[in-house]
Amino acid sequence: GQNIDQPTEMTATEGAIVQINCTYQTSGFNGLFWYQQHAGEAPTFLSYNVLDGLEEKGRFSSFLSRSKGYSYLLLKELQMKDSASYLCAVNQAGTALIFGKGTTLSVSS
Amino acid sequence: ETGVTQSPTHLIKTRGQQVTLRCSSQSGHNTVSWYQQALGQGPQFIFQYYREEENGRGNFPPRFSGLQFPNYSSELNVNALELDDSALYLCASSLDFKVRYFGPGTRLLVL
Repeated sequence: GQNIDQPTEMTATEGAIVQINCTYQTSGFNGLFWYQQHAGEAPTFLSYNVLDGLEEKGRFSSFLSRSKGYSYLLLKELQMKDSASYLCAVNQAGTALIFGKGTTLSVSS
Repeated sequence: ETGVTQSPTHLIKTRGQQVTLRCSSQSGHNTVSWYQQALGQGPQFIFQYYREEENGRGNFPPRFSGLQFPNYSSELNVNALELDDSALYLCASSLDFKVRYFGPGTRLLVL
């Protein structure tokens, strides 16, 4: 079967670092995406990992371990505007993106 | 802005009716996929079109159907609407199954 798990909610304060974990069990794995979605808006692309290791892009980094079925998104120097839902999605054999339910991050001052 | 557009932005229908949602993909993209997102959930894959052919389908009944046109724009059709079809419908375009860029979505309410 297909299963993607991520925490439902997380809270953090401005300037802090937060790590959002994602574990997955899917067939036909062809990479893992992270998207950010603000309330009432469309998901926006953050990162794509297809090989094991860490990908860094400004304040955001994403890590993948294919053997463990595990990924995380690391957000540094948190800002209020980072309050959003973060979606982990597995690229399944080049067709479907299989999404988790999302992690709602609340950043407070 | 991703360059992916969708119309209409909002729609209200009654049970049993039919609806057509439209999507214009980003310039240069040849793949369009559709997702349904219920409130508080992640998007659920409906189907994907690559160069006008359906090449993947999620766990949705046949009353969900689609088309992709030669200019790579796309339509999603839903027949015999049910209350549970109320959701945000997202279109995403990509080049050869890589990064999907999402449009703003169509919010459908079925009464």
